[in-house]
Amino acid sequence: EPEVTQTPSHQVTQMGQEVILRCVPISNHLYFYWYRQILGQKVEFLVSFYNNEISEKSEIFDDQFSVERPDGSNFTLKIRSTKLEDSAMYFCASSVGQGMGQPQHFGDGTRLSIL
Amino acid sequence: KNQVEQSPQSLIILEGKNCTLQCNYTVSPFSNLRWYKQDTGRGPVSLTIMTFSENTKSNGRYTATLDADTKQSSLHITASQLSDSASYICVVSSHYGNNRLAFGKGNQVVVIP
Repeated sequence: EPEVTQTPSHQVTQMGQEVILRCVPISNHLYFYWYRQILGQKVEFLVSFYNNEISEKSEIFDDQFSVERPDGSNFTLKIRSTKLEDSAMYFCASSVGQGMGQPQHFGDGTRLSIL
Repeated sequence: KNQVEQSPQSLIILEGKNCTLQCNYTVSPFSNLRWYKQDTGRGPVSLTIMTFSENTKSNGRYTATLDADTKQSSLHITASQLSDSASYICVVSSHYGNNRLAFGKGNQVVVIP
């Protein structure tokens, strides 16, 4: 069964540095998402992406964050000037559509640790 | 603010026993409700999706119920297995917001032999 794959599985970065988290969504999916889960907290929506542009973003997704689909397969999340509180699991998800009954398929996440 | 609350926060059950997890939500207008299973260190995996008109949906030993009037859902696990040990997350989607999902904090289930 097709899967959403994320790399790296664990990223350790110094505070203030930039990180890029990578995702390869399922090939025939058209909608892409990023979520984060701080340890012990609920999963939080960051951004959704469709047709090469952001379709919606949460209050968390400020100017520090950006997303890009640089080619036909990859979907990236860039975090600039990382802060300690950016430490979390970051999940990428994709779906065929947005209609009812269209599940989002999640990757296994990238654990981001900011030192 | 849309909210999804789950109970109990955690529970321990003996292998072979049944258990029921609860989810209350205030998301409005309501589109659909999903239960996800999240194994430790893995991403969430969809178990069921229910729309406004559906009361019950099963996926193997997992049965989800929905009462859209009281805004409550439950997930029943029958004849639990050790592999059922995971976090079960209730996720609600609104008609607003481009398929944005509101997540509960999860029910942490531990199945012991």
